[in-house]
Amino acid sequence: DTAVSQTPKYLVTQMGNDKSIKCEQNLGHDTMYWYKQDSKKFLKIMFSYNNKELIINETVPNRFSPKSPDKAHLNLHINSLELGDSAVYFCASSPSFRYTGYFYGYTFGSGTRLTVV
Amino acid sequence: GEDVEQSLFLSVREGDSSVINCTYTDSSSTYLYWYKQEPGAGLQLLTYIFSNMDMKQDQRLTVLLNKKDKHLSLRIADTQTGDSAIYFCADLNSGYSTLTFGKGTMLLVSP
Repeated sequence: DTAVSQTPKYLVTQMGNDKSIKCEQNLGHDTMYWYKQDSKKFLKIMFSYNNKELIINETVPNRFSPKSPDKAHLNLHINSLELGDSAVYFCASSPSFRYTGYFYGYTFGSGTRLTVV
Repeated sequence: GEDVEQSLFLSVREGDSSVINCTYTDSSSTYLYWYKQEPGAGLQLLTYIFSNMDMKQDQRLTVLLNKKDKHLSLRIADTQTGDSAIYFCADLNSGYSTLTFGKGTMLLVSP
């Protein structure tokens, strides 16, 4: 029973293409995130959604568009892919800190390695 | 903005203790975390500490927090080759429920 699942695990595509990465969590969490991990392993938040509502949108090119059809899913669509988009993209989820007052950290998916050629 | 800093690399021998250090800048941090990332895998939560605690112990792991100096450390006792991984320190931005991660410390354990 995978708690946070991402598909695909690997994605190789050409520059200029449009691609999507899907994420689903079965933990009943309210909040979902997308993080980008670059080649130096640095993790940077891209987006955060709480109950389908966009909470955080860091300085990410508008070629990246998150979509949350329901609170269990947060997909990432990328238009006009560039070489610099090559990275590992992690989806994560957590219960909402604001409502629980406690925060036990994120549960991460296993990542999607995107390679743009 | 917030910043979390870690040393990038640590090498130890099997059976020794490992100490991974982290500093953070956000004085309003409420929770601090240690995550482990094995090659090709996602991040796994190892432990966390609430900001009103000085120390937390969990089997081979000991977390020390010096809130005055904004310094966090993770000690792994009796380090094993299976502990070789990248360890990330993170702190919580409570306003947005987001974690700010350090750049990660690669721990290499040699036999």
